[in-house]
Amino acid sequence: DAGVIQSPRHEVTEMGQEVTLRCKPISGHDYLFWYRQTMMRGLELLIYFNNNVPIDDSGMPEDRFSAKMPNASFSTLKIQPSEPRDSAVYFCASSGEWVGELFFGEGSRLTVL
Amino acid sequence: KQEVTQIPAALSVPEGENLVLNCSFTDSAIYNLQWFRQDPGKGLTSLLLIQSSQREQTSGRLNASLDKSSGRSTLYIAASQPGDSATYLCAVRLTGGGNKLTFGTGTQLKVEL
Repeated sequence: DAGVIQSPRHEVTEMGQEVTLRCKPISGHDYLFWYRQTMMRGLELLIYFNNNVPIDDSGMPEDRFSAKMPNASFSTLKIQPSEPRDSAVYFCASSGEWVGELFFGEGSRLTVL
Repeated sequence: KQEVTQIPAALSVPEGENLVLNCSFTDSAIYNLQWFRQDPGKGLTSLLLIQSSQREQTSGRLNASLDKSSGRSTLYIAASQPGDSATYLCAVRLTGGGNKLTFGTGTQLKVEL
């Protein structure tokens, strides 16, 4: 298996623009997670899905952030409008079972100018 | 609120040395604990997952132990190599906390020739 695949790997945008990050989980994994990593706050869970249904979105910082999972092999994290403080590395991860081992993608590094 | 602490924040050792990385957590009611490594600019690679009922797990030169009652885990690396240089993160899942991982801040390891 190719592992968790994220795109784009790098994104530079200007404040106010819409940003869409994409993720393809490992085939057969029922759980998908979005994390954000910054120097100041470390790794933070934003939202996770089970069987394409959002289970816990309490980590989503603001209404500007939204995530969807239209099918088992694809998820998006959208920021609209983006702000400089959203600059971070966004990771997608998947797991094949409840509280099972978590596998991460390579991340999407977002810079908002 | 679960807090996960990793000490030291950074460690530099000569090649061939055996070393121990420490992880402490405040709430002992955990499902499991997972150790990851992160290379610069990369995602997280899962190293070991240790269940709350287990005392240790081994993979190659790595051995992770878990003492739930004292809120501690250690990652032992035998015969360290320059390729082991990376940031090592531990993460715990709380019983009753859903499928969320709470991450430590990491230990940055450098193995020198």
